[in-house]
Amino acid sequence: GAGVSQSPSNKVTEKGKDVELRCDPISGHTALYWYRQSLGQGLEFLIYFQGNSAPDKSGLPSDRFSAERTGGSVSTLTIQRTQQEDSAVYLCASSYLYEQYFGPGTRLTVT
Amino acid sequence: KNEVEQSPQNLTAQEGEFITINCSYSVGISALHWLQQHPGGGIVSLFMLSSGKKKHGRLIATINIQEKHSSLHITASHPRDSAVYICAVDNNNDMRFGAGTRLTVKP
Repeated sequence: GAGVSQSPSNKVTEKGKDVELRCDPISGHTALYWYRQSLGQGLEFLIYFQGNSAPDKSGLPSDRFSAERTGGSVSTLTIQRTQQEDSAVYLCASSYLYEQYFGPGTRLTVT
Repeated sequence: KNEVEQSPQNLTAQEGEFITINCSYSVGISALHWLQQHPGGGIVSLFMLSSGKKKHGRLIATINIQEKHSSLHITASHPRDSAVYICAVDNNNDMRFGAGTRLTVKP
């Protein structure tokens, strides 16, 4: 069956622009996670959705970051006024119980 | 001190060797995950543990909740096992990650 998909796979944007990253989870998976992996760094947890709600948004790095999930399915991560330090691979994962299935990631480069 | 510590940071082995990667954590957890990240960047979940031991093929994962420690073992290692192995602790969906162990298995 189809896995987790993310789009775009690569995004190059100018500093100060807004970007929107999309995640399509596996059908039926109620939980959805966003992570960030900066170059040469470990994974960083950003936010988790159960259904359409995100109980804890404290993992988002700044108020320029926001995320939403609609219909218990697709999620978007929006970064406003991008900065160079936002350059990273943004990963999405979904799960039904505990095991997480990861998408291929979106590589964001802010120039 | 990081909440999740992995060791070793880097590991080089000869094909066929038995591999152990360790993970210690300092926070309460509902589950612990072992992930594999290949050079191309894709991440695969290997195990999710909340107690005891799990085995999948040549991979074995154990966890000791009292000691807050988990190990990932690879038996009869193969060059295709070369990857970064990441320990992640799950505290009711608040995830914390180790820095990863880069494993290189030489033929």
